[in-house]
Amino acid sequence: QKEVEQDPGPLSVPEGAIVSLNCTYSNSAFQYFMWYRQYSRKGPELLMYTYSSGNKEDGRFTAQVDKSSKYISLFIRDSQPSDSATYLCAMSGAGATNKLIFGTGTLLAVQP
Amino acid sequence: GAGVSQSPSNKVTEKGKDVELRCDPISGHTALYWYRQRLGQGLEFLIYFQGNSAPDKSGLPSDRFSAERTGESVSTLTIQRTQQEDSAVYLCASSLVAGGFSYEQYFGPGTRLTVT
Repeated sequence: QKEVEQDPGPLSVPEGAIVSLNCTYSNSAFQYFMWYRQYSRKGPELLMYTYSSGNKEDGRFTAQVDKSSKYISLFIRDSQPSDSATYLCAMSGAGATNKLIFGTGTLLAVQP
Repeated sequence: GAGVSQSPSNKVTEKGKDVELRCDPISGHTALYWYRQRLGQGLEFLIYFQGNSAPDKSGLPSDRFSAERTGESVSTLTIQRTQQEDSAVYLCASSLVAGGFSYEQYFGPGTRLTVT
């Protein structure tokens, strides 16, 4: 079993829809949770960074962490065609290395 | 300001040849990471450098892989005797470290390696 599970999609939604992306994980030591967006043939771009459980909002993006369920989510409101990309969840523990463990990524297509 | 840069952006090599990939981190970022992204898969951690500490090499898949870092700047990832399964995008990331904690990692555009 992988430490981080993420549905690879693809997920296709109409413009303006609310998108929900999710990851589950098995390692209870994870404390830092991130969402990256990756456009085709580009490096991952950090979208959201949260610590422990709770919600964080930034514009149209909301990240939720539920450590008790080992479940994290990213919500995108009023989705735009420019949001079409692969969304990667990533997490790390409290160790000095802080190496990230990634999900496989979910490919999102927002149709105009 | 400049982000993380990597070179070359693309590299095609024959099986058995050695390759060297380069990463220039963001200025002031003392932590540097290498990851590998195979087609349709998430990123896999390879190696981590932080200041003068011994690197964390726990993610290197075999002894054909090695990496070096000059001080707190440029890093090179070397793959010897390349195999077809080494074909992937190799991504470098850097982060600020303060109080023993590594902050958000910022990624470069990656080097796409194809082994024929």
